[in-house]
Amino acid sequence: ETGVTQTPRHLVMGMTNKKSLKCEQHLGHNAMYWYKQSAKKPLELMFVYNFKEQTENNSVPSRFSPECPNSSHLFLHLHTLQPEDSALYLCASSQEEGGGLLNGYTFGSGTRLTVV
Amino acid sequence: GQQVMQIPQYQHVQEGEDFTTYCNSSTTLSNIQWYKQRPGGHPVFLIQLVKSGEVKKQKRLTFQFGEAKKNSSLHITATQTTDVGTYFCAGPRAGNNRKLIWGLGTSLAVNP
Repeated sequence: ETGVTQTPRHLVMGMTNKKSLKCEQHLGHNAMYWYKQSAKKPLELMFVYNFKEQTENNSVPSRFSPECPNSSHLFLHLHTLQPEDSALYLCASSQEEGGGLLNGYTFGSGTRLTVV
Repeated sequence: GQQVMQIPQYQHVQEGEDFTTYCNSSTTLSNIQWYKQRPGGHPVFLIQLVKSGEVKKQKRLTFQFGEAKKNSSLHITATQTTDVGTYFCAGPRAGNNRKLIWGLGTSLAVNP
């Protein structure tokens, strides 16, 4: 248990489906992130929320829609995805945006997404 | 654009051998963070270095930050099978200290 909980762990969805990924942290952190991890590519920052406000949208296609109702919860709504969107989607949180001096980012276990 | 590069991409060692991975940035970094990701797992924060020339140790792991704050290294002494995984470095984006740029990682395999 990392302190950051992601559900579901695995998701297979068709290109016409709509699904949501959920992330929850009870570490009292102020910043939350969505990352995409694909083979042979660096970790790709998607969205950043700081005190519930979005501070970064890293040119992510609109078929990915984030939601941050409060500083402990983060969602990623998915619709009409493409097979190339298949990847590990990681949620992370940090005390302050950028990782802070001592504790860096705390990552969740991720959602392994397969788009068919 | 700004890049953080890690070498080697893969390393295969015999248990008990030492291992080093290097992280090189195209720009000066205010700090550098290291993470470890076990196979099938998620990245776990190891350490952050801030000062020029800083050296920090965690048991068999030694982390260094270069004098020019553009490179860093992670050295593992006498590797064990529990060291298997991918080691990532990450540094702040130039002009925006709160966004990280990640290296591709070095994947370490250890033969028992």
